[in-house]
Amino acid sequence: QITLKESGPTLVKPTQTLTLTCTFSGFSLSTSGVAVGWIRQPPGKALEWLALISWNDDRRYSPSLKSRLTITKDTSKNQVVLTVTNMDPVDSATYYCARSILPAGVPLDYWGQGTLVTVSS
Amino acid sequence: DIVMTQSPDSLAVSLGERATINCKSSQSVLYSSNNKNYLAWFQQKPGQPPKLLIYWASTRQSWVPDRFSGSGSGTDFTLTISSLQAEDVAVYYCQQYYGTPWTFGQGTKVEIK
Repeated sequence: QITLKESGPTLVKPTQTLTLTCTFSGFSLSTSGVAVGWIRQPPGKALEWLALISWNDDRRYSPSLKSRLTITKDTSKNQVVLTVTNMDPVDSATYYCARSILPAGVPLDYWGQGTLVTVSS
Repeated sequence: DIVMTQSPDSLAVSLGERATINCKSSQSVLYSSNNKNYLAWFQQKPGQPPKLLIYWASTRQSWVPDRFSGSGSGTDFTLTISSLQAEDVAVYYCQQYYGTPWTFGQGTKVEIK
């Protein structure tokens, strides 16, 4: 059974750094072709892809946010961490992590339930 | 970035009737080396994460009922629900994974008329 779960603060202040952890089970990020990504969704709005890290440590970022994002993995702990610097109220959103199998062309087939992050002073 | 544009933004369909959602990409998402369209469809119900319905434009996930179908190639794609059921009320998103940044459409809300 494949599961993913996001964890992190629910409230951050403007200019602070957000650190989110995706803890997963049922698959390994050391398996060829596996990737884990982050997607966010402001309340009532559309989905926005943020970043992706692959089994071979290839990292991809949204160009519009690249200077503020860092994605890392800890294969031994089955975790992927996303940091977002200089948080702003417009970054308030539900943040999801999701798995992809890239060579098979299957994107985002398993998702976590998401974690709502509010940016406010 | 590849821009994904869905139409309509919302639609109301009677139970048992057909629902059709269109998605247009600003550039082709057809990968010539394998002739695959890197286009996916997601369903999102209120308070839930999105669920992958279809990938490669027309391949259904194993759990997806066959009333859902995807079609199209290149830049123009369609998600069809052949006979709308009450449990299909949701927002549907198309997404391209041809190249990063992966991008989503703005979503189409499907309701019962």
